Amino acid sequence: AQSVTQLDSQVPVFEEAPVELRCNYSSSVSVYLFWYVQYPNQGLQLLLKYLSGSTLVKGINGFEAEFNKSQTSFHLRKPSVHISDTAEYFCAVKKNAGGTSYGKLTFGQGTILTVHP
Amino acid sequence: GAVVSQHPSWVICKSGTSVKIECRSLDFQATTMFWYRQFPKQSLMLMATSNEGSKATYEQGVEKDKFLINHASLTLSTLTVTSAHPEDSSFYICSAMRSSYNEQFFGPGTRLTVL
Repeated sequence: AQSVTQLDSQVPVFEEAPVELRCNYSSSVSVYLFWYVQYPNQGLQLLLKYLSGSTLVKGINGFEAEFNKSQTSFHLRKPSVHISDTAEYFCAVKKNAGGTSYGKLTFGQGTILTVHP
Repeated sequence: GAVVSQHPSWVICKSGTSVKIECRSLDFQATTMFWYRQFPKQSLMLMATSNEGSKATYEQGVEKDKFLINHASLTLSTLTVTSAHPEDSSFYICSAMRSSYNEQFFGPGTRLTVL
């Protein structure tokens, strides 16, 4: 089974400051990795994903994440945040394989990012 | 592309009644749809996986007789909460996946409040 741990439940930052949201995962098989953003009372929007290839993945809204296999981490970063980045962010993993659990995502607990002016 | 809609966006019902939530993939055919529930300040918990034309696969601890899932076509899945009780109040989110893609597209969610 897979598990995802987001190390910070809340991250407050000031506008234009850099931010890093941490995500660690555990899995006995190789996985795909995802970051989603959720605005209040809305569904999830994909920020970026790692499937294979370069370990540095760039996503929408200026976010990027780096896959570190040895540390089983997939931390999300943005060099300069905006007020509009205030939202909840979820890290998720999916088995890199088929079978009965094909497609199933396992989510972390979420990190609430609050950007202050 | 890859838009998923849910209807209704919110619903309030009396305890003991049943509520149906629809999930539609608007511009693609979804071979697989997923249903999640999310309690306040918590993460998404997968309830069930549904494939078009076959019975849904429920996660451990989810009552299949209470949460009826029907995936009648490649663009529509429904979740019916039968005999709803206040503890069923939650945010229900569906997602849809195209075959051979490694990405789920999420609906906007349905807020269910049972009085």
